[in-house]
Amino acid sequence: DIQMTQSPSTLSASVGDRVTITCRASQSIGSNLAWYQQKPGEAPKVLIYKASSLESGVPSRFSGSGSGTEFTLTISSLQPDDFATYYCQQYKSYSLSWTFGQGTKVDFK
Amino acid sequence: QVQLVQSGAEVKKPGASVKVSCKTFGYTFTAYYMHWVRQAPGQGPEWMGWINTYSGETKYAQKFRDSVTFTRDASASTAYMEVITLKSDDTAVFYCGRDGLNSVIDSWGQGTLVTVSS
Repeated sequence: DIQMTQSPSTLSASVGDRVTITCRASQSIGSNLAWYQQKPGEAPKVLIYKASSLESGVPSRFSGSGSGTEFTLTISSLQPDDFATYYCQQYKSYSLSWTFGQGTKVDFK
Repeated sequence: QVQLVQSGAEVKKPGASVKVSCKTFGYTFTAYYMHWVRQAPGQGPEWMGWINTYSGETKYAQKFRDSVTFTRDASASTAYMEVITLKSDDTAVFYCGRDGLNSVIDSWGQGTLVTVSS
């Protein structure tokens, strides 16, 4: 199975900060990567698909980049609603298993 | 609008089985795959597999291959996930999620907490 490794595990930040989260795949997945946001007690919510495409309705301060094995999620100016846990997920092929990263919790500095 | 409504919380003893339902509204059920995801307390989501809601074809993550079965009832626009021989470390929230136009899970059920305890 393809392994996904996120860093950091926890990130302390303030409102207005620029935040970057990294996700690495154990083998090339092309651009088949999504980013999700999850708040306590809620289901995950997709933010980015195809590594860099913004899901409809998601604020433009979220952006994604990368391909192959290295990907990043950037929040350009952190807002109070953005304090949450973020997960990457690879979906290289429907004939293969999909995998989530272990998550990055963004909390108050 | 698209809605996925899951069955309620369950408490089961070790060795028992559980079947979770996911009823859908607001779209053509058979036009989209359905995924199932497990999330243990304090842990990240874990992808379990998918079901082709049109054909019934399934794909399971290796970890769940021997213990989980996905089925669907297209006439009821409902997907099901059954776990057999539950263990205490199966305690988790189980989510169904629609595989959307962009091949990611774009709509989720509210989650079903399954607690396994003697």
